Amino acid sequence: GENVEQHPSTLSVQEGDSAVIKCTYSDSASNYFPWYKQELGKGPQLIIDIRSNVGEKKDQRIAVTLNKTAKHFSLHITETQPEDSAVYFCAASKVSGGYNKLIFGAGTRLAVHP
Amino acid sequence: SQTIHQWPATLVQPVGSPLSLECTVEGTSNPNLYWYRQAAGRGLQLLFYSVGIGQISSEVPQNLSASRPQDRQFILSSKKLLLSDSGFYLCAWSAIQGSGNTIYFGEGSWLTVV
Repeated sequence: GENVEQHPSTLSVQEGDSAVIKCTYSDSASNYFPWYKQELGKGPQLIIDIRSNVGEKKDQRIAVTLNKTAKHFSLHITETQPEDSAVYFCAASKVSGGYNKLIFGAGTRLAVHP
Repeated sequence: SQTIHQWPATLVQPVGSPLSLECTVEGTSNPNLYWYRQAAGRGLQLLFYSVGIGQISSEVPQNLSASRPQDRQFILSSKKLLLSDSGFYLCAWSAIQGSGNTIYFGEGSWLTVV
């Protein structure tokens, strides 16, 4: 069945370092790949997304890359700050039966230490 | 701009009691609506989705049900709660047109069944 694997499950970095989170997906029909940041006790917030016709997208300190052939996509955070500490979820999506079917990874808990 | 409201934010319910969580979306028409559940420290599991009024689809068999009495209103219910129903419940919406459209989450409802 459809599956998204996310690694690592936990990531600890020093402030100013870079953080990379990787995901792989199984359904080759997936065409949309969002990343969400979830702070404790809150709903996930979209931070960046990429569509299957694009290989890379950047928004300030955050970038996402997509390798469709290998079915991999990654989140890159540069110059990390303590406020980047949160749980990050990747997802792979396709439209199925008229709705946007989003399959989530299990999440990565990122801790940025001052 | 579009906003999503979900309530109550937290609730503690005894086993066997009923449940009603409500979600409304503002600023858009005819959205796709979703209910997700997140167990403590885990990923997001899709419970129900709706592509229109009265149209509900379930992703997993369970003790819960959903209803969509109005275009921008989505309700999650149970007649008799189980301990295993405890978790963080998230309502979400996406635009109905096109493919790969972003899903936006509400702030979530913490349910503890005791």
